[in-house]
Amino acid sequence: NAGVTQTPKFRVLKTGQSMTLLCAQDMNHEYMYWYRQDPGMGLRLIHYSVGEGTTAKGEVPDGYNVSRLKKQNFLLGLESAAPSQTSVYFCASSSSARNTEAFFGQGTRLTVV
Amino acid sequence: AQKVTQAQTEISVVEKEDVTLDCVYETRDTTYYLFWYKQPPSGELVFLIRRNSFDEQNEISGRYSWNFQKSTSSFNFTITASQVVDSAVYFCALSEAGSGGYQKVTFGTGTKLQVIP
Repeated sequence: NAGVTQTPKFRVLKTGQSMTLLCAQDMNHEYMYWYRQDPGMGLRLIHYSVGEGTTAKGEVPDGYNVSRLKKQNFLLGLESAAPSQTSVYFCASSSSARNTEAFFGQGTRLTVV
Repeated sequence: AQKVTQAQTEISVVEKEDVTLDCVYETRDTTYYLFWYKQPPSGELVFLIRRNSFDEQNEISGRYSWNFQKSTSSFNFTITASQVVDSAVYFCALSEAGSGGYQKVTFGTGTKLQVIP
């Protein structure tokens, strides 16, 4: 039972490079989310999706883009990485009701040098 | 605006001691949901409990218990007879309706619990 899977788990980028983080869920959830976790700041929502083909901005969307071409996948892109984007990134999914818990991936530790 | 405050940044206890993690929230909604998640050293967040705003009944699950008090906007988490495996970062979260019908969730900054053997 895979749940939510993120790839890669670790990555080091040089400033200005681009990359895509992949999130896949096998629970048929409608909602998917990308968060970043920084020391002392908890989890902050970057972008989210309420269904296939839809995306929306969260709390800290600048410098990131997302796509949800398939229901089970949610991609997070960094077009031109900056040191401020060094963080741990978590993908999560939940069913459509807002009273349901989110299921999280194992996280991606990204360092931008 | 909704807000979740976990004032305790780090707590250390000796194994078998009881410990309470505090969570205070702010919201204008009358219908909302509160959650606790555990993030062990492995990194993945694990769901512990959900409570809706209409249910103030306290809950106990093994060594874990939760005290929800709307009058003080608090949703505290107590671990009884702590164990080393309880060492983790614990997050409190608040969910309310966001625009577009999505689940707007605000996380606290987390409390790092260290249980010393």
